[in-house]
Amino acid sequence: DTEVTQTPKHLVMGMTNKKSLKCEQHMGHRAMYWYKQKAKKPPELMFVYSYEKLSINESVPSRFSPECPNSSLLNLHLHALQPEDSALYLCASSQVPGLAPGNEQYFGPGTRLTVT
Amino acid sequence: DQQVKQNSPSLSVQEGRISILNCDYTNSMFDYFLWYKKYPAEGPTFLISISSIKDKNEDGRFTVFLNKSAKHLSLHIVPSQPGDSAVYFCAATLTGTASKLTFGTGTRLQVTL
Repeated sequence: DTEVTQTPKHLVMGMTNKKSLKCEQHMGHRAMYWYKQKAKKPPELMFVYSYEKLSINESVPSRFSPECPNSSLLNLHLHALQPEDSALYLCASSQVPGLAPGNEQYFGPGTRLTVT
Repeated sequence: DQQVKQNSPSLSVQEGRISILNCDYTNSMFDYFLWYKKYPAEGPTFLISISSIKDKNEDGRFTVFLNKSAKHLSLHIVPSQPGDSAVYFCAATLTGTASKLTFGTGTRLQVTL
């Protein structure tokens, strides 16, 4: 099983809503990542979890709150978002933290978020 | 500051011919480079990578070349197939436990019949 799953596939939310994105992998990977991708732009790293602990936060606004309840699951809690936060949110995982030959990141299909 | 650049937003190639996708980087500290392929409505899929100690890595129809002095890498696909039509992202990193990927802006490859 080399799959990273993300739910929901699409999400439309108002600026006052609270919602969560979910990411799951069953590959035994111990590093998980959240990326944001705007249209016609490359993915941008938001957060990295290493062994279920937050290791990198790329100065992401507090209206995005990540959570890693266990080694297979990664959530992204959303609250009071702005229309400019509309984007594709990608989750990824790798066997261990860091990047090196043989430790590539596997991506999920993403959640397309629209903030109205 | 775009540290990884893909200057061709799109490329069209006939089936059976060679596709060459290019990528330039500015950070000389990068020591590991990857190519990802992305279909619409899917996440990026890892394709092939190269470490800075090598100048070529081959996997089937895909070959990546690295020219460190020019800070340039390229992906060759031979022969190109219609199923190769996708957006290709070049990515670079400095290996280590806190390393992170820096992606290029992507090149949309269309392989025509």
